[in-house]
Amino acid sequence: KQEVTQIPAALSVPEGENLVLNCSFTDSAIYNLQWFRQDPGKGLTSLLLIQSSQREQTSGRLNASLDKSSGRSTLYIAASQPGDSATYLCAADQGGKLIFGQGTELSVKP
Amino acid sequence: DAGVIQSPRHEVTEMGQEVTLRCKPISGHNSLFWYRQTMMRGLELLIYFNNNVPIDDSGMPEDRFSAKMPNASFSTLKIQPSEPRDSAVYFCASSRGQNTGELFFGEGSRLTVL
Repeated sequence: KQEVTQIPAALSVPEGENLVLNCSFTDSAIYNLQWFRQDPGKGLTSLLLIQSSQREQTSGRLNASLDKSSGRSTLYIAASQPGDSATYLCAADQGGKLIFGQGTELSVKP
Repeated sequence: DAGVIQSPRHEVTEMGQEVTLRCKPISGHNSLFWYRQTMMRGLELLIYFNNNVPIDDSGMPEDRFSAKMPNASFSTLKIQPSEPRDSAVYFCASSRGQNTGELFFGEGSRLTVL
């Protein structure tokens, strides 16, 4: 059974800092790995999707990497801004369904 | 495109009442997912459909929960009878293709059962 874990559960950083969020999964047989952002009281917004054959994906200040063999993915946020404050969730695609981690709650202080 | 549309956004009901949550997926998407989010358990997949057919309902908690997708543009999740432990935010999401691909979520329906 796939289990997805995110560390840390919460993170507070000053504005401008570069940061890394971690995601690990127990079953490497995945189709892709996705990162989402969730603002309070809102739904999830897709940030990046890494196919199982890829090593990383980039979108603006965000870079996500995937190492299937070790069961790990990281989300790198460069030059963090207060607007980046949200909960970030990763999810492993088991072929038709996503298994989510519990998320990392990020707070970027001005 | 309007995105995934869910209704109602908020529902407060009493234990034992029937609850129906509704979802309109993005046009052209042929996979639809129902998730439940709680503080304790995070996001859990309840059921998903592909081309209106239920593919995996192993996440449905018990027989009190049922879901239907009568056509490509509408799905319902019904709880009958509702219990306080069903209180949660219920999300609908849709994607193109049978493998998940990029998932688009609705704003969610916050259910409170008293």
